[in-house]
Amino acid sequence: DTGVSQDPRHKITKRGQNVTFRCDPISEHNRLYWYRQTLGQGPEFLTYFQNEAQLEKSRLLSDRFSAERPKGSFSTLEIQRTEQGDSAMYLCASSLAQGVYTEAFFGQGTRLTVV
Amino acid sequence: EDQVTQSPEALRLQEGESSSLNCSYTVSGLRGLFWYRQDPGKGPEFLFTLYSAGEEKEKERLKATLTKKESFLHITAPKPEDSATYLCAVLGSGNTGKLIFGQGTTLQVKP
Repeated sequence: DTGVSQDPRHKITKRGQNVTFRCDPISEHNRLYWYRQTLGQGPEFLTYFQNEAQLEKSRLLSDRFSAERPKGSFSTLEIQRTEQGDSAMYLCASSLAQGVYTEAFFGQGTRLTVV
Repeated sequence: EDQVTQSPEALRLQEGESSSLNCSYTVSGLRGLFWYRQDPGKGPEFLFTLYSAGEEKEKERLKATLTKKESFLHITAPKPEDSATYLCAVLGSGNTGKLIFGQGTTLQVKP
């Protein structure tokens, strides 16, 4: 198992463009999470899935953000009409939830720069 | 409101100089406290999970402890390769699966 994989690692986009990130979780993990991290801060929760169901979405997440996890495998995070404030590291994590929560393992992140 | 506060924000140590990092938390019904290490430009790397007050976990030069209000990450005789940002997180209140992170402590160990 190679761990959580994120693609791309870096993305530079012009303001107003749409971007999409992909996350491949650890194969046996049924939960998948998206977090955002800005410089000097801890990761901030965006949303998470259990299998293909999106169970929770942060109130801070604007309508420009959407996430999917078709068939409960990989996930995509799309940001429409990007703004400079969207510049951040976008982190994906996965865990195995079987009644009791177990630790989440993170990918290397996608660094988004909006110019 | 669920909250995690870490102190200090930054810590500079000489190689071999032991110290502790603090994580204070406020959550209704702790279901888990987690420590991660993060190197610059990389994702957080899982270190420890603690579930109940009095619990301790060790890994090499690191030891994590937990009380009802805070957790400590003790670093014994650190080496330069221990330099990183250490993040503390708790599971949010209720039935959520989301983690609430502190802002992290950036540790620099000088040879």
